[in-house]
Amino acid sequence: GAVVSQHPSRVICKSGTSVKIECRSLDFQATTMFWYRQFPKQSLMLMATSNEGSKATYEQGVEKDKFLINHASLTLSTLTVTSAHPEDSSFYICSAYGLAGGPEYFGPGTRLLVL
Amino acid sequence: QKEVEQNSGPLSVPEGAIASLNCTYSDRGSQSFFWYRQYSGKSPELIMSIYSNGDKEDGRFTAQLNKASQYVSLLIRDSQPSDSATYLCAVKANAGKSTFGDGTTLTVKP
Repeated sequence: GAVVSQHPSRVICKSGTSVKIECRSLDFQATTMFWYRQFPKQSLMLMATSNEGSKATYEQGVEKDKFLINHASLTLSTLTVTSAHPEDSSFYICSAYGLAGGPEYFGPGTRLLVL
Repeated sequence: QKEVEQNSGPLSVPEGAIASLNCTYSDRGSQSFFWYRQYSGKSPELIMSIYSNGDKEDGRFTAQLNKASQYVSLLIRDSQPSDSATYLCAVKANAGKSTFGDGTTLTVKP
C-alpha cells in the first residue's frame, strides 16, 4: 500500500508557541491531503482538505487563522498550529489519496501536548 | 441521521469466532467503500476496499457490499486477540473526502 509519513511523531511545547507538522506521501503523488484531529476515545474529526497549489478548505468550526495549512507540492502538506494552547493538545493525523475514488492512506499521526 | 452509521458496539467475541461489523450509508451516489482498523493510540490503517456489489475476500477478512440496501459489512473469521481494535467504515462518492463512521470497537477474548 501507499506510504504516508508525518513528522514529528510527538511534540511538547509551551503555551503561545507555534508548532509545524509535516505530512509527506512517500511513494505516490497526492493532489489532495486531509488533516484530522482525534481526542482520546473520540472519533476522527476532519479539520481541513488541503489541495496542492490552492488554499485549504476548512470544516465548519475550525479556525483557519489558527491552523495554517500549506500544500506546496504533490508530496508535502504542512499544518501549523499557531499560538498553541493546552486545549489544542490532541492527536493530529494526516491522510492522502492518489487516485480519485481511491482510499485515503493515513500517516502515523503527531501527538501534540501544549503545556 | 448520520451519513455513515456503524454498530455502536462495543463488540466482544471469543477467540476463533467470526466477528461481524456492519455499516449503512445514506448517499446513494457513493462509489467506494473502505474498512480501516485503528489500534488504540495509533492512526487508522486500511484493511479492505470494495467497489462493486458482492463479497471480496482477503485472508481472514471478507467485505460485503449491497448498494441497493446501502449496506457494507466486514467479517473477520477465526478472530484473534490481535484483531482487537476499532474498525472504521468509510464511504466516498468519487474524488474528494471520505465520510467516516464513528467506528465499532471489537474485543476478541482469548
